[in-house]
Parts: sequence; C-alpha cells; structure tokens
Amino acid sequence: GAGVSQSPSNKVTEKGKDVELRCDPISGHTALYWYRQSLGQGLEFLIYFQGNSAPDKSGLPSDRFSAERTGGSVSTLTIQRTQQEDSAVYLCASSLDVSPLHFGNGTRLTVT
Amino acid sequence: QKEVEQNSGPLSVPEGAIASLNCTYSDRGSQSFFWYRQYSGKSPELIMFIYSNGDKEDGRFTAQLNKASQYVSLLIRDSQPSDSATYLCAVKSTGRRALTFGSGTRLQVQP
Repeated sequence: GAGVSQSPSNKVTEKGKDVELRCDPISGHTALYWYRQSLGQGLEFLIYFQGNSAPDKSGLPSDRFSAERTGGSVSTLTIQRTQQEDSAVYLCASSLDVSPLHFGNGTRLTVT
Repeated sequence: QKEVEQNSGPLSVPEGAIASLNCTYSDRGSQSFFWYRQYSGKSPELIMFIYSNGDKEDGRFTAQLNKASQYVSLLIRDSQPSDSATYLCAVKSTGRRALTFGSGTRLQVQP
C-alpha cells in the first residue's frame, strides 16, 4: 500500500545524546538502504540490507553508527554520542532486489 | 576521482528549451543507470533508468547511455518551470549492491 515511511520527520538533539531513526519499507521489498544527505550535497551511502544476507555496512562513517532490520521489515538506524557533523537528512529507501529505489521522506537530524 | 560526477550547476534554460544533464562514472563494469529528481526539501524520486547503450525515451525525458565513454545523460524537452529541481545520477557499480549517487545538477527553468 503506502510508500516508505520514516519517523520522526524531524529530530533535534543535543551533542552527545543517542538517537534512533526508524524506517518502514514498502511491503514485500526485500532490499532496504540508508543514505545520508548533508545540506547541498549528494547522497552518501550508509548501509544496505537484503533479505537474510549479512548487511553491507561499508558506508557507515564510524562505529557510533549502527543499524538493524528486524524480521526483514522495519529498520532502525542508531547514532550514539551524536556530533554536530552528524546533522543531515537521513533517507531510507527500499526496493525489490537492487533497483529502482523508492525513498521515504527522510528524517532531518539537527545536533545542537 | 569521484565514482559518479555531475556538474553542480545551476543549469539555467528558458521555458520550452531542451535541458541537457550529464553524468560520468568511473567503473567501466557498471550495468545500471538511474536519474532521480529531487525538489528542494523533498526526497528523490525516480525519473528514468537505462541499462543498454543508446537512447530511452519516456514522454519529455530521454536517457542516453554510452558505456564506451562512461557517460550517461538526461534530456528534458519542452522544459517547464516545474522541472526546476536537482537531478541526481545514480549508478549500480560492479560488486556494489547499493547505488552510488552523484552530487546532483541543479536545473532552473526560467519562465
């Protein structure tokens, strides 16, 4: 039915706090991606899940970032001890296999 | 060298003209190519994808792929002010499951 759903749409947090971002993909889509987009920049790949395979974590910028996908559906991206440079829009996308991607509306994260 | 390169623009064209957006990529083994449109403050939306050399047309949009030159382009005919947005080129590279995006070209269509 609905498209990719992300929550919250906006999140303001203090430096050093942990945040959790949620993504609910399109039903039946086996692939789920997290990207990050800083102001005026392109999309930076973070992590990719495909079915029951081990996730591709090659884009995670530091060990403060982690993600999980439960039951092959909903995914949570966690950022620990947030820093100001983590401020960005975090986009989730899903697809059948690898392409094309359908994006959610994103979570705008601001670290003060 | 970036894996996917685009001119950041802005590319300014008058209403009714043809807008030509270009993208080059570094991985010669890349197989799939995508164009996304992103309005300010919104998420990217897929416009077109192309897998084979040559042209692919969909309405006012034409994607062109030249694998030998590692070049993909998007032509927008009869440009409208509503086409004003950032256009992102994305490539499925060899051995990568996720798409690699360029930084986008901002298009401005002047009424």
